[in-house]
Amino acid sequence: DGGITQSPKYLFRKEGQNVTLSCEQNLNHDAMYWYRQDPGQGLRLIYYSQIVNDFQKGDIAEGYSVSREKKESFPLTVTSAQKNPTAFYLCASSETSGGRNEQFFGPGTRLTVL
Amino acid sequence: RKEVEQDPGPFNVPEGATVAFNCTYSNSASQSFFWYRQDCRKEPKLLMSVYSSGNEDGRFTAQLNRASQYISLLIRDSKLSDSATYLCAVNPTGANNLFFGTGTRLTVIP
Repeated sequence: DGGITQSPKYLFRKEGQNVTLSCEQNLNHDAMYWYRQDPGQGLRLIYYSQIVNDFQKGDIAEGYSVSREKKESFPLTVTSAQKNPTAFYLCASSETSGGRNEQFFGPGTRLTVL
Repeated sequence: RKEVEQDPGPFNVPEGATVAFNCTYSNSASQSFFWYRQDCRKEPKLLMSVYSSGNEDGRFTAQLNRASQYISLLIRDSKLSDSATYLCAVNPTGANNLFFGTGTRLTVIP
């Protein structure tokens, strides 16, 4: 089955620790995205990547880092510099050709900082 | 001004009713628009794409009004299973990502 997977589903972190969230897709999409969603708020873009070995900051990149070494994978690291990391993190992917840019989402990771 | 704005609701409607949501966008050059459905504590799922004036899929109709810069989602014959939050998303021309609204919550009541 084609799709996007994220792991873990739930993650608990102590303050001061870095954690890495996994995102994998087998849709052969070039573009991948990371969003965070807080209660009562819309999705806010953290980072995105249009092609392997290239990525761009979104609206709220501070305290986060990413890598794109493979087309299928786009892991997100939440660093200790992120002041309020508790949130629902969503990874998405999309095509970049043909003028169609629907994004498809993984099931998300809920991060809680203790 | 936000890129995309939605009425958060909640909209509480009886089964069988017709309900419509609007979503306004600020960039007049935007070319593609989307409606997503998000269930509680789940990921958004694509419901409809709008690339021209509108789109229809069964009980769901999405319409684009470029003059007033809004898109609408119409749900006819509401079902209990339609209860969810509906997010609109806009892709401004030249942007590499989507801007999402905060979502409109719908509850269909028996």
